[in-house]
Amino acid sequence: KNQVEQSPQSLIILEGKNCTLQCNYTVSPFSNLRWYKQDTGRGPVSLTIMTFSENTKSNGRYTATLDADTKQSSLHITASQLSDSASYICVVIIGGGADGLTFGKGTHLIIQP
Amino acid sequence: GAGVSQSPRYKVAKRGQDVALRCDPISGHVSLFWYQQALGQGPEFLTYFQNEAQLDKSGLPSDRFFAERPEGSVSTLKIQRTQQEDSAVYLCASSAVGAFGSPLHFGNGTRLTVT
Repeated sequence: KNQVEQSPQSLIILEGKNCTLQCNYTVSPFSNLRWYKQDTGRGPVSLTIMTFSENTKSNGRYTATLDADTKQSSLHITASQLSDSASYICVVIIGGGADGLTFGKGTHLIIQP
Repeated sequence: GAGVSQSPRYKVAKRGQDVALRCDPISGHVSLFWYQQALGQGPEFLTYFQNEAQLDKSGLPSDRFFAERPEGSVSTLKIQRTQQEDSAVYLCASSAVGAFGSPLHFGNGTRLTVT
């Protein structure tokens, strides 16, 4: 049923390395796409919001890309830090009712020193 | 600055007990959402308020779940006759006018464990 698929499910990288997280979606009509970071035991925190017309958006070391034609988004993290260890959740919004926010299951990222 | 506050942070209930979970949204935020998050999963929509009006409750899993926001600020999610499958983290989120152009601000959740 889940129309937002994220990969990989989990990822372990060394501190200082870069990584890319993927989000594929099938929901339509598309309104906007968001990436959230969720630390263990905390609520999700917004990283980026991208509308249909935006291809890329950066927030510090985080860069999100969006290809609305292929319905794919990615979140690239550069020069990873230990504090980047968290779950990263992709959310696709189709507008309309409040249940129009479809959450992915997240990618669990672990940064090792 | 005050964010979204949820209480309690942890709640252990025996099966069959009633529980009430509280959410204090960011002051002035019109929209308020409740989500249920199982371990290792993304949040699942439960219900949505715009001010005091509950505009969407399609995600509530059964009639044992009830939410209210009587004065358009604080909200309470009540679960009656709790069952083990209700064990999850319950997240509250608020946003400024409209939900689809502005980010959701989440609380840290209430972790409910039903034994």
